[in-house]
Amino acid sequence: GAVVSQHPSRVICKSGTSVKIECRSLDFQATTMFWYRQFPKQSLMLMATSNEGSKATYEQGVEKDKFLINHASLTLSTLTVTSAHPEDSSFYICSARDGTSRETQYFGPGTRLLVL
Amino acid sequence: GQNIDQPTEMTATEGAIVQINCTYQTSGFNGLFWYQQHAGEAPTFLSYNVLDGLEEKGRFSSFLSRSKGYSYLLLKELQMKDSASYLCAPMDSNYQLIWGAGTKLIIKP
Repeated sequence: GAVVSQHPSRVICKSGTSVKIECRSLDFQATTMFWYRQFPKQSLMLMATSNEGSKATYEQGVEKDKFLINHASLTLSTLTVTSAHPEDSSFYICSARDGTSRETQYFGPGTRLLVL
Repeated sequence: GQNIDQPTEMTATEGAIVQINCTYQTSGFNGLFWYQQHAGEAPTFLSYNVLDGLEEKGRFSSFLSRSKGYSYLLLKELQMKDSASYLCAPMDSNYQLIWGAGTKLIIKP
């Protein structure tokens, strides 16, 4: 089956630093990748949708200058949380969709970010 | 608007059967997914319904009625490892998943 990996799985950083999270599709080409954020006991919140080679589409209320998304290849998308603050502490999950099926999304294992 | 309605929490006994209901309203519809999410982990795919009716997959079955905006997930022969949140996620006309907060299922011995 399709596999999506995320790295790192867990990161602790100081307030004001930037953190990069990688999302990779291991055995398929992901034409579209999605970045979600989930706070404890809340639903997944879509942050942005990225298509390979083009700019990401951000959801309302998500700052594109704070959450930089790069989808440079068909197997890799990165999310950079710039100048992280404690309120950015959350569970970040990516998912990927290949070009053959618009319905199916494969989820990565998630990255837990803690900003001190 | 778009919204999902599921019970916040349910409790069931090991070995029993439980049905988790979901009603939804979306802008367009391209099927409905059920995901399982254990605490601290990403969601994992359980089922996908795009046509009305029941889809059975082992201990798990999922039902869809598009005219009623209704789906349910049926879990049989419950095991302790089934304790998790279950997320009903319809897909709208833009092929975007719409997420609710899910149903936390607690299994007791």
